[in-house]
Amino acid sequence: GIQVEQSPPDLILQEGANSTLRCNFSDSVNNLQWFHQNPWGQLINLFYIPSGTKQNGRLSATTVATERYSLLYISSSQTTDSGVYFCAVVTNDMRFGAGTRLTVKP
Amino acid sequence: DAGVTQSPTHLIKTRGQQVTLRCSPKSGHDTVSWYQQALGQGPQFIFQYYEEEERQRGNFPDRFSGHQFPNYSSELNVNALLLGDSALYLCASSTDREFYGYTFGSGTRLTVV
Repeated sequence: GIQVEQSPPDLILQEGANSTLRCNFSDSVNNLQWFHQNPWGQLINLFYIPSGTKQNGRLSATTVATERYSLLYISSSQTTDSGVYFCAVVTNDMRFGAGTRLTVKP
Repeated sequence: DAGVTQSPTHLIKTRGQQVTLRCSPKSGHDTVSWYQQALGQGPQFIFQYYEEEERQRGNFPDRFSGHQFPNYSSELNVNALLLGDSALYLCASSTDREFYGYTFGSGTRLTVV
């Protein structure tokens, strides 16, 4: 089956710093989503982005489907950005990467 | 607009027992998928229901079964619980008619003792 790899696995930032999270996938996909999982386990949909670039406030995402990767950019990070970020790709079902655990320190 | 609702939020069961988890999809969605998330890992796909039938299934044993009702809500049943079934169980809904991704519920945290 399709492999989804996220990097880095862990990231520690100072408040105000910028970061880039990467998601590589091993085969063609129909769709891709980025999620933020808060400390209570809720998966919050950040972007539905099968291709191209989208922006939402301090967050933006780019997917290059032909090269099988997606990037999530977080600018001017805040402590509330802490949590685990997952990318998930959709073929016949949705497959998740292992996530990037982000810690933003005040 | 109600999102995906799951019940119960927490559950403690004894090894060997059976459990039923429930999910109501987001308004306008007709497809329900279930995921198991063990501590420190990404969610793993269990199965997906559409038009009251199991459409896709992940690599989970037959102890895991489900059902979808005419109102699109769904149940996940797990029989003969094992300690390793302890996890967060997540429900996601979507629609084939105009796909804009999956919406997840807050999950049910199952502890098997």
